[in-house]
Amino acid sequence: RKEVEQDPGPFNVPEGATVAFNCTYSNSASQSFFWYRQDCRKEPKLLMSVYSSGNEDGRFTAQLNRASQYISLLIRDSKLSDSATYLCAVNPVGYQKVTFGTGTKLQVIP
Amino acid sequence: DVKVTQSSRYLVKRTGEKVFLECVQDMDHENMFWYRQDPGLGLRLIYFSYDVKMKEKGDIPEGYSVSREKKERFSLILESASTNQTSMYLCASSTAGGFAEAFFGQGTRLTVV
Repeated sequence: RKEVEQDPGPFNVPEGATVAFNCTYSNSASQSFFWYRQDCRKEPKLLMSVYSSGNEDGRFTAQLNRASQYISLLIRDSKLSDSATYLCAVNPVGYQKVTFGTGTKLQVIP
Repeated sequence: DVKVTQSSRYLVKRTGEKVFLECVQDMDHENMFWYRQDPGLGLRLIYFSYDVKMKEKGDIPEGYSVSREKKERFSLILESASTNQTSMYLCASSTAGGFAEAFFGQGTRLTVV
């Protein structure tokens, strides 16, 4: 089983829709979780960290489910500019290495 | 504005050549990383360094080596380039500790012919 797994998509959604991505991780000792956004031919950039209690930033909500070992990203009221690949990242406890999922591609359609 | 800078955006090298990819960060970060990114395989860690002169193998270190002589600079070396090393290479840096955001360079697209 891969350390971090994501559905590659693509997810094609109309503007204004709500879309959710999940990311599963295999190491139950994982400590830190992140969502990154990567635009075409660009480097990944941090979208948000994922905290145990869940966190929200505008239209974006990140959740952590430790029992089932997954994190999720919810995007409300999708905009054309949200079109990108969304990468989840996981950092095991006491370890500096961050492992990335393969990414989920989102295409928001007019 | 924080910055991670990779020396080249595009490189074309011949099979068997020794290739150096350079990365410099200006954020005084302890950790630096080299990843390669391939379609369908995502970001895979090649090597990382948590301090000057310290390095650890990532998931795919074969055919690569690294050097970190100064805190701000982390070099990736392909000892003898092969066509299966054609890829996008991304350098990143972060502070020590959990919940540390990784900042990425713009990437180097390496083609080995």
